[in-house]
Formats: sequence, structure tokens, C-alpha cells
Amino acid sequence: AQSVTQLDSQVPVFEEAPVELRCNYSSSVSVYLFWYVQYPNQGLQLLLKYLSGSTLVESINGFEAEFNKSQTSFHLRKPSVHISDTAEYFCAVSEDTGFQKLVFGTGTRLLVSP
Amino acid sequence: GAVVSQHPSWVICKSGTSVKIECRSLDFQATTMFWYRQFPKQSLMLMATSNEGSKATYEQGVEKDKFLINHASLTLSTLTVTSAHPEDSSFYICSARGTSGGAGTQYFGPGTRLTVL
Repeated sequence: AQSVTQLDSQVPVFEEAPVELRCNYSSSVSVYLFWYVQYPNQGLQLLLKYLSGSTLVESINGFEAEFNKSQTSFHLRKPSVHISDTAEYFCAVSEDTGFQKLVFGTGTRLLVSP
Repeated sequence: GAVVSQHPSWVICKSGTSVKIECRSLDFQATTMFWYRQFPKQSLMLMATSNEGSKATYEQGVEKDKFLINHASLTLSTLTVTSAHPEDSSFYICSARGTSGGAGTQYFGPGTRLTVL
């Protein structure tokens, strides 16, 4: 079975500051890794994912995450955040075979203030 | 592309009644659909996985007789909460996975908020 740990329940930052949202996972098998974002009163949207290949993956809105197998981490970073990035961010893991069921972390609320 | 809808977006019902929630993939065929439950300020918990035409696979601790799942077509899955009670009040979210989007990608619906009085 897999599990995901997001240690920070809330991360307050000022606009244009860099941010890192931490995610660690555990699994005995090969996994896929995901970051989903949930804006207020909306459903989850896929932000980025790691399946294989390059360990650094990027999203279209400036976020990036790096898969570190030795540290079992998949931290999410952005060099300069905007007010509009305020949302709940969920890290998730799935096996790379079978149903590929997602196991989610508890989420990190990113609060960007002016 | 890859849009998933849910209906209704919110529902209030009396204790003891049954409620049906629909999940539709609007522009792709969903070979697998998932149902999640999200409590306030908590993460999503997978309830069950369903493949079109097959019985759903429920996660441990989820009552299959209480949460009936039907995946009758490649674009529609329904979750029926039978004899609902106040403790069933929650945010129910479905997701769908097809053949596009790459391995592992699930597309999520906007969720249905159920309040049982």
C-alpha cells in the first residue's frame, strides 16, 4: 500500500515570493506521482505528474516538482507566486499498474497575500 | 477536453431517504471511474473503483450496500446513498480515467455536497 505525507497544512507567503510545498510518499512498488490543485468551490485539477523519465516536471503556470527516489519526495515549487495561486494543493501517488488508484495526502493550503 | 460533470452539485435530504449522484464524462469514454469522499478540511478518501459493465470494487470499511455504484456506460456512473443519515453528510467527488491524458491521469468532477438532515 502507498501513503502520502504533506507535513504543512498551511503555507502563507507574500506575492512574488518563492514557495515550496513538501510531499513525501512511501511505497513498496513503482509509483506515479501527482500534484492536484483545488481552487475554492471548484473540483480538483491536475497540476503536474511524474510517470517516468526526467525527474523534473513542470506545469504550464510556472510550478515544478522534482521526483527524488532516494528521499521518496515530490516537492512542489514555484519561484514567484501570485495571488491567484491561493488554493489547496494535494499530492497523490498511485501504483504504476492495475487500477492505479490514487492515494492523496492531507493537502496544503497555500495562502498568498499582497 | 476531458471534462467530468456531476449532478446535482448539492443536495439536502431527510434522514432515511436515498440520494443518487450522477457522474458523467462529457467528451471522452471513461473506462474506469472512481468515487471519493472528502470531509471538511481533509483529504479525499477513495470509496470505490468501477469499470464499465462490472461490479464496483469497494475500499475497506466502505459499506457496499449503503453506497451503491452503477457504471452502466462508458460515460456514466452513479452513486446512490441509501437510507442516508446525518453522518453521511459529506462532499462526494467522482473522477474518470479514459485512454487519453497519459497513464494514471484521472479527471475530477466538481463534487456534490450532500447534507442529510
